Amino acid sequence: KQEVTQIPAALSVPEGENLVLNCSFTDSAIYNLQWFRQDPGKGLTSLLLIQSSQREQTSGRLNASLDKSSGRSTLYIAASQPGDSATYLCAVNAGGFKTIFGAGTRLFVKA
Amino acid sequence: GAGVSQSPSNKVTEKGKDVELRCDPISGHTALYWYRQSLGQGLEFLIYFQGNSAPDKSGLPSDRFSAERTGGSVSTLTIQRTQQEDSAVYLCASSPTGNYGYTFGSGTRLTVV
Repeated sequence: KQEVTQIPAALSVPEGENLVLNCSFTDSAIYNLQWFRQDPGKGLTSLLLIQSSQREQTSGRLNASLDKSSGRSTLYIAASQPGDSATYLCAVNAGGFKTIFGAGTRLFVKA
Repeated sequence: GAGVSQSPSNKVTEKGKDVELRCDPISGHTALYWYRQSLGQGLEFLIYFQGNSAPDKSGLPSDRFSAERTGGSVSTLTIQRTQQEDSAVYLCASSPTGNYGYTFGSGTRLTVV
């Protein structure tokens, strides 16, 4: 059974710092992995989607990597800003509707 | 539409009443999903529609919950005889297939009083 774990559960950093959020999964047989952002009381906004054949994806200050063999993905945020404060979730898709979501990392960027 | 649209955005209902939540997916997306997120919790899978196939209802928590998808587009999630533990944010997502990433709506916050 696929399990997705995100560490840390919460993170507080000063503005401008580079940071890494971690996602680990137990079954390497995945189709893709997706990182989302969720603001309080809101839906999920897709940040990056990495297919199983890819190693990383980049969008602006965000870079996500995928290492299937070790069951790990990282989301790197460069030069963090207060507007980056949100909960970040990773979701692992093993085909069809079988997407398992992590519990998320709550990020707070202090001005 | 340009995105996944959910309505209403907020719903307050009395315990025991029935509610209907609506999801309008991205045009052309064949897959549609409903999730529930209770306060401070992760996402709980409820139901999945793929094209004209029979939906996977394995995540529905009780027989008070049902969902349908008309014409392969708009979906309605119905909760009968609501209970206080049904209070949560109900999120809908769609995908062009089952394997190529989800686009979520903004959710419906349901409060049962």
